[in-house]
Amino acid sequence: AQTVTQSQPEMSVQEAETVTLSCTYDTSENNYYLFWYKQPPSRQMILVIRQEAYKQQNATENRFSVNFQKAAKSFSLKISDSQLGDTAMYFCAFMIYNQGGKLIFGQGTELSVKP
Amino acid sequence: SQTIHQWPATLVQPVGSPLSLECTVEGTSNPNLYWYRQAAGRGLQLLFYSVGIGQISSEVPQNLSASRPQDRQFILSSKKLLLSDSGFYLCAWKRGGAVAEAFFGQGTRLTVV
Repeated sequence: AQTVTQSQPEMSVQEAETVTLSCTYDTSENNYYLFWYKQPPSRQMILVIRQEAYKQQNATENRFSVNFQKAAKSFSLKISDSQLGDTAMYFCAFMIYNQGGKLIFGQGTELSVKP
Repeated sequence: SQTIHQWPATLVQPVGSPLSLECTVEGTSNPNLYWYRQAAGRGLQLLFYSVGIGQISSEVPQNLSASRPQDRQFILSSKKLLLSDSGFYLCAWKRGGAVAEAFFGQGTRLTVV
């Protein structure tokens, strides 16, 4: 079975500090993409960052970066210089290449950034 | 640029009534289309996806059905709603092929009473 596990249902961080959200996944496929999506209170799903499994270099998007450990099937998200607007539910997901583009999501981590 | 429209934003329906949620994409052709459901405080579950007109794949057995009558239109339906159909429904699209990002609509909050 293909699954995604986010072991931290809730996290909080002080504004301007750094926080890391954990994600592990399970698949027997070798070609896939990994994503972090953000869902603020508006409930709009917003893509934060993506990683191709064949790339060893960790993806970075401004204050967001990932630590991708393919052998361990781990894909954590680091948010640096946290801002109040980062408060949201964060979902880890993966997509198997050539399987219709289906996303498999974790259960989410609710992040609160405190002033 | 591409945009995705999903409506209505909220819906309250009695048990046993029919359902029709609509999603349309603008600015692209032959997109892959998806319906996801999000139960309260949980992750998204894929319900249906379509890689072309008239092609629908169902991921979970349920009381719902989907149709794709036009290239950029995806409809989620039910003949008789159940209480368990309540949830937040999200439509999404992505380009076919290797391009990976999926983009989501604003969602529909469905409450079955």
